[in-house]
Amino acid sequence: QVQLQQWGAGLLKPSETLSLTCAVYVGSFRGYDWSWIRQPPGMGLEWIGEINHGGSTNYNPSLKTRLTISVDTSKSQFSLKLSSVTAADTAVYYCARGFLLGTTSGNFYYMDVWGKGTTVTVSS
Amino acid sequence: DIQMTQSPSSLSASVGDRVTVTCRASQSISKFLNWYQQRPGEAPKLLIYAASSLQSGVPSRFSGSGSGTDFTLTISGLRPEDFATYYCQQSHSRPRTFGQGTKVEIK
Repeated sequence: QVQLQQWGAGLLKPSETLSLTCAVYVGSFRGYDWSWIRQPPGMGLEWIGEINHGGSTNYNPSLKTRLTISVDTSKSQFSLKLSSVTAADTAVYYCARGFLLGTTSGNFYYMDVWGKGTTVTVSS
Repeated sequence: DIQMTQSPSSLSASVGDRVTVTCRASQSISKFLNWYQQRPGEAPKLLIYAASSLQSGVPSRFSGSGSGTDFTLTISGLRPEDFATYYCQQSHSRPRTFGQGTKVEIK
């Protein structure tokens, strides 16, 4: 069964760069999109961005100027870097697998496997 | 961006109740709508994709319906493990936006 294991620094100071990595275990890395989603304390979910195995990315415009998502297919890993963090970036960050199901009615995208989440706190 | 609005924000229900959560999109998204369940301290879990298709392994008491701008998630016969927060998410276009969540609490 596919598992996503994620890690990265949990405590940052303002202006530093947030860096997280997610590894895919048991299962194919190709044929899927790989996403990052975050959840501020007590709040809802925000899609950050995604990458496919070929390295094509899509970013949330609200974060685009500070965001880099990259992939290492040799290790079945993908990473998130968010620069110039502030307290507003404090959140639980999740990685997830995105699947595009092609049907006669359309191509339906959903995130079906999630990592356990990494808590990132930005504080001086 | 497509805005997703859920109602209610929270509800209280008893074990065995039938519960309905509503999600409205700010523009038509056909059936490009997913539902997730999040228990406290856990990652979200996919329940429903393409508005009404049940994800493998999800109990049949969960069902989804709707198209265009209005969607519903129904839990028929609430069980203790269903007390959680539920999110809708549109996959019509990027950015992939979520509703604000509906918390289902024990009455």
